[in-house]
Amino acid sequence: DAGITQSPRHKVTETGTPVTLRCHQTENHRYMYWYRQDPGHGLRLIHYSYGVKDTDKGEVSDGYSVSRSKTEDFLLTLESATSSQTSVYFCAITPGLPSYEQYFGPGTRLTVT
Amino acid sequence: SQQGEEDPQALSIQEGENATMNCSYKTSINNLQWYRQNSGRGLVHLILIRSNEREKHSGRLRVTLDTSKKSSSLLITASRAADTASYFCATDKNTDKLIFGTGTRLQVFP
Repeated sequence: DAGITQSPRHKVTETGTPVTLRCHQTENHRYMYWYRQDPGHGLRLIHYSYGVKDTDKGEVSDGYSVSRSKTEDFLLTLESATSSQTSVYFCAITPGLPSYEQYFGPGTRLTVT
Repeated sequence: SQQGEEDPQALSIQEGENATMNCSYKTSINNLQWYRQNSGRGLVHLILIRSNEREKHSGRLRVTLDTSKKSSSLLITASRAADTASYFCATDKNTDKLIFGTGTRLQVFP
Protein backbone atom coordinates (compact mmCIF):
# COMPACT_ATOMS: atom_id res chain seq x y z
CA ASP A 1 0.00 0.00 0.00
CA ALA A 2 2.90 2.39 -0.74
CA GLY A 3 3.46 3.27 2.91
CA ILE A 4 -0.06 4.54 3.48
CA THR A 5 -2.02 3.63 6.57
CA GLN A 6 -5.50 4.60 7.59
CA SER A 7 -7.02 4.58 11.05
CA PRO A 8 -9.35 3.40 12.23
CA ARG A 9 -10.04 0.63 9.73
CA HIS A 10 -13.60 0.19 10.94
CA LYS A 11 -15.83 2.49 12.93
CA VAL A 12 -19.47 2.55 13.96
CA THR A 13 -20.77 5.84 15.26
CA GLU A 14 -24.06 7.50 16.00
CA THR A 15 -25.72 10.25 14.02
CA GLY A 16 -24.64 13.68 15.18
CA THR A 17 -21.26 12.70 16.58
CA PRO A 18 -18.00 14.06 15.18
CA VAL A 19 -15.64 11.57 13.58
CA THR A 20 -12.03 11.96 12.52
CA LEU A 21 -10.28 9.62 10.13
CA ARG A 22 -6.53 9.65 9.80
CA CYS A 23 -4.32 9.01 6.82
CA HIS A 24 -0.61 8.61 7.38
CA GLN A 25 2.10 8.31 4.75
CA THR A 26 5.76 7.52 5.19
CA GLU A 27 7.02 8.88 1.85
CA ASN A 28 6.66 12.67 2.32
CA HIS A 29 4.63 13.06 -0.83
CA ARG A 30 3.09 16.44 -1.39
CA TYR A 31 -0.36 15.48 -2.69
CA MET A 32 -2.90 13.59 -0.60
CA TYR A 33 -6.55 12.84 -1.27
CA TRP A 34 -9.66 11.66 0.53
CA TYR A 35 -12.30 9.72 -1.40
CA ARG A 36 -15.50 7.98 -0.48
CA GLN A 37 -16.72 4.88 -2.28
CA ASP A 38 -20.36 3.96 -2.50
CA PRO A 39 -22.15 1.35 -4.63
CA GLY A 40 -23.12 2.80 -7.98
CA HIS A 41 -20.98 5.91 -7.55
CA GLY A 42 -17.43 4.69 -7.81
CA LEU A 43 -14.90 6.86 -6.01
CA ARG A 44 -15.75 10.46 -5.36
CA LEU A 45 -13.23 13.05 -4.22
CA ILE A 46 -14.01 14.73 -0.91
CA HIS A 47 -10.98 16.94 -0.28
CA TYR A 48 -7.37 16.99 -1.28
CA SER A 49 -4.17 18.61 -0.15
CA TYR A 50 -1.19 19.87 -2.11
CA GLY A 51 0.97 20.68 0.89
CA VAL A 52 0.98 21.46 4.57
CA LYS A 53 -2.02 23.65 5.34
CA ASP A 54 -2.92 23.75 1.63
CA THR A 55 -6.22 22.00 0.97
CA ASP A 56 -9.07 22.26 -1.48
CA LYS A 57 -12.55 20.88 -1.92
CA GLY A 58 -13.50 18.00 -4.13
CA GLU A 59 -16.77 16.88 -5.62
CA VAL A 60 -18.55 15.92 -2.38
CA SER A 61 -17.08 18.13 0.35
CA ASP A 62 -20.26 19.18 2.18
CA GLY A 63 -20.24 17.93 5.76
CA TYR A 64 -16.51 17.22 5.73
CA SER A 65 -13.44 19.18 6.72
CA VAL A 66 -9.77 18.35 6.49
CA SER A 67 -6.52 19.39 8.05
CA ARG A 68 -2.91 18.86 7.21
CA SER A 69 -0.51 20.19 9.79
CA LYS A 70 2.30 17.79 8.86
CA THR A 71 3.33 16.39 5.50
CA GLU A 72 2.71 12.84 6.62
CA ASP A 73 -0.78 13.22 8.07
CA PHE A 74 -4.06 14.15 6.40
CA LEU A 75 -7.11 14.17 8.64
CA LEU A 76 -10.72 13.95 7.51
CA THR A 77 -13.39 15.12 9.94
CA LEU A 78 -17.10 14.54 9.73
CA GLU A 79 -18.30 17.43 11.84
CA SER A 80 -21.69 15.89 12.65
CA ALA A 81 -22.01 12.43 11.14
CA THR A 82 -25.16 11.55 9.20
CA SER A 83 -26.37 8.21 7.87
CA SER A 84 -25.63 9.41 4.33
CA GLN A 85 -21.95 9.46 5.27
CA THR A 86 -21.94 5.71 5.83
CA SER A 87 -19.33 4.67 3.30
CA VAL A 88 -15.86 3.33 2.73
CA TYR A 89 -13.26 6.09 2.86
CA PHE A 90 -9.98 5.87 1.01
CA CYS A 91 -6.91 8.00 1.30
CA ALA A 92 -4.51 8.28 -1.62
CA ILE A 93 -1.21 9.90 -2.41
CA THR A 94 0.53 10.65 -5.64
CA PRO A 95 4.30 10.54 -5.86
CA GLY A 96 4.53 12.70 -8.95
CA LEU A 97 2.53 15.45 -10.53
CA PRO A 98 -1.05 15.38 -9.30
CA SER A 99 -2.48 13.66 -12.32
CA TYR A 100 0.02 10.83 -12.25
CA GLU A 101 -0.82 7.49 -10.71
CA GLN A 102 -2.27 7.46 -7.24
CA TYR A 103 -1.54 4.98 -4.47
CA PHE A 104 -4.33 4.07 -2.12
CA GLY A 105 -4.56 3.16 1.51
CA PRO A 106 -6.53 0.12 2.71
CA GLY A 107 -9.70 2.08 3.47
CA THR A 108 -11.87 2.85 6.48
CA ARG A 109 -15.35 1.42 6.67
CA LEU A 110 -17.57 3.89 8.51
CA THR A 111 -21.11 3.11 9.60
CA VAL A 112 -23.30 5.87 10.96
CA THR A 113 -26.34 4.54 12.83
CA SER B 1 -18.96 16.60 -13.92
CA GLN B 2 -16.46 14.85 -16.12
CA GLN B 3 -16.60 11.18 -15.32
CA GLY B 4 -15.46 7.97 -16.88
CA GLU B 5 -18.29 5.56 -17.48
CA GLU B 6 -17.27 1.94 -17.68
CA ASP B 7 -19.04 -0.61 -19.77
CA PRO B 8 -20.13 -3.26 -19.05
CA GLN B 9 -20.98 -2.87 -15.39
CA ALA B 10 -20.32 -6.56 -14.84
CA LEU B 11 -18.56 -9.24 -16.85
CA SER B 12 -18.25 -12.98 -16.24
CA ILE B 13 -15.82 -15.14 -18.19
CA GLN B 14 -13.94 -18.41 -17.96
CA GLU B 15 -10.24 -18.66 -17.21
CA GLY B 16 -8.19 -18.35 -20.35
CA GLU B 17 -10.65 -16.08 -22.10
CA ASN B 18 -9.98 -12.43 -22.82
CA ALA B 19 -11.81 -9.68 -20.95
CA THR B 20 -12.53 -6.31 -22.51
CA MET B 21 -13.94 -3.35 -20.67
CA ASN B 22 -14.55 0.12 -21.96
CA CYS B 23 -14.48 3.62 -20.58
CA SER B 24 -16.03 6.74 -22.03
CA TYR B 25 -15.47 10.26 -20.81
CA LYS B 26 -16.84 13.69 -21.54
CA THR B 27 -14.13 16.29 -21.98
CA SER B 28 -10.53 16.50 -23.13
CA ILE B 29 -7.93 14.90 -20.91
CA ASN B 30 -4.20 14.86 -20.31
CA ASN B 31 -4.12 11.18 -19.48
CA LEU B 32 -6.32 8.24 -18.62
CA GLN B 33 -5.55 5.60 -16.04
CA TRP B 34 -6.89 2.17 -15.16
CA TYR B 35 -7.05 0.78 -11.64
CA ARG B 36 -7.97 -2.57 -10.15
CA GLN B 37 -9.71 -3.11 -6.83
CA ASN B 38 -9.90 -6.47 -5.16
CA SER B 39 -12.78 -6.97 -2.77
CA GLY B 40 -12.27 -5.08 0.46
CA ARG B 41 -9.01 -3.49 -0.65
CA GLY B 42 -7.78 -0.16 -1.93
CA LEU B 43 -7.33 0.57 -5.62
CA VAL B 44 -4.14 -0.46 -7.35
CA HIS B 45 -2.79 1.46 -10.32
CA LEU B 46 -2.47 -0.66 -13.48
CA ILE B 47 -1.54 1.55 -16.36
CA LEU B 48 -1.50 5.18 -17.52
CA ILE B 49 -1.93 6.26 -21.12
CA ARG B 50 -1.32 9.81 -22.22
CA SER B 51 -3.58 11.71 -24.57
CA ASN B 52 -0.99 11.56 -27.37
CA GLU B 53 -0.71 7.76 -27.12
CA ARG B 54 -3.06 5.33 -28.82
CA GLU B 55 -2.06 2.02 -27.33
CA LYS B 56 -0.06 0.76 -24.40
CA HIS B 57 0.86 -2.68 -23.11
CA SER B 58 1.81 -3.99 -19.71
CA GLY B 59 2.11 -7.75 -19.36
CA ARG B 60 -1.31 -9.22 -20.16
CA LEU B 61 -2.91 -5.76 -20.23
CA ARG B 62 -3.53 -3.78 -23.37
CA VAL B 63 -5.03 -0.30 -23.21
CA THR B 64 -6.21 1.74 -26.15
CA LEU B 65 -7.23 5.36 -26.22
CA ASP B 66 -9.33 7.09 -28.86
CA THR B 67 -9.45 10.77 -28.04
CA SER B 68 -11.73 11.52 -31.00
CA LYS B 69 -14.36 9.22 -29.51
CA LYS B 70 -13.40 10.05 -25.93
CA SER B 71 -13.10 6.40 -25.09
CA SER B 72 -10.61 3.84 -23.85
CA SER B 73 -10.59 0.09 -23.57
CA LEU B 74 -8.77 -2.29 -21.26
CA LEU B 75 -8.09 -5.78 -22.55
CA ILE B 76 -6.91 -8.52 -20.20
CA THR B 77 -5.67 -11.48 -22.17
CA ALA B 78 -5.67 -15.09 -20.99
CA SER B 79 -7.55 -14.18 -17.84
CA ARG B 80 -6.97 -15.94 -14.55
CA ALA B 81 -9.15 -16.41 -11.50
CA ALA B 82 -6.86 -13.93 -9.73
CA ASP B 83 -7.99 -11.23 -12.17
CA THR B 84 -11.39 -11.25 -10.48
CA ALA B 85 -11.80 -7.68 -9.28
CA SER B 86 -13.41 -4.37 -10.11
CA TYR B 87 -11.71 -2.22 -12.70
CA PHE B 88 -11.95 1.56 -12.82
CA CYS B 89 -10.85 4.15 -15.32
CA ALA B 90 -9.81 7.59 -14.13
CA THR B 91 -9.33 10.77 -16.07
CA ASP B 92 -7.73 14.04 -15.10
CA LYS B 93 -9.91 17.10 -15.36
CA ASN B 94 -7.15 19.50 -14.41
CA THR B 95 -3.66 18.71 -13.27
CA ASP B 96 -4.52 18.28 -9.60
CA LYS B 97 -7.16 15.59 -9.37
CA LEU B 98 -8.63 12.49 -10.98
CA ILE B 99 -12.23 11.63 -11.72
CA PHE B 100 -13.05 7.94 -11.38
CA GLY B 101 -15.73 5.99 -13.16
CA THR B 102 -18.16 3.62 -11.52
CA GLY B 103 -16.23 0.51 -12.48
CA THR B 104 -16.62 -2.87 -14.16
CA ARG B 105 -16.91 -5.94 -11.94
CA LEU B 106 -15.01 -8.81 -13.54
CA GLN B 107 -15.58 -12.39 -12.42
CA VAL B 108 -13.24 -15.03 -13.83
CA PHE B 109 -14.36 -18.61 -13.23
CA PRO B 110 -11.75 -21.36 -12.96
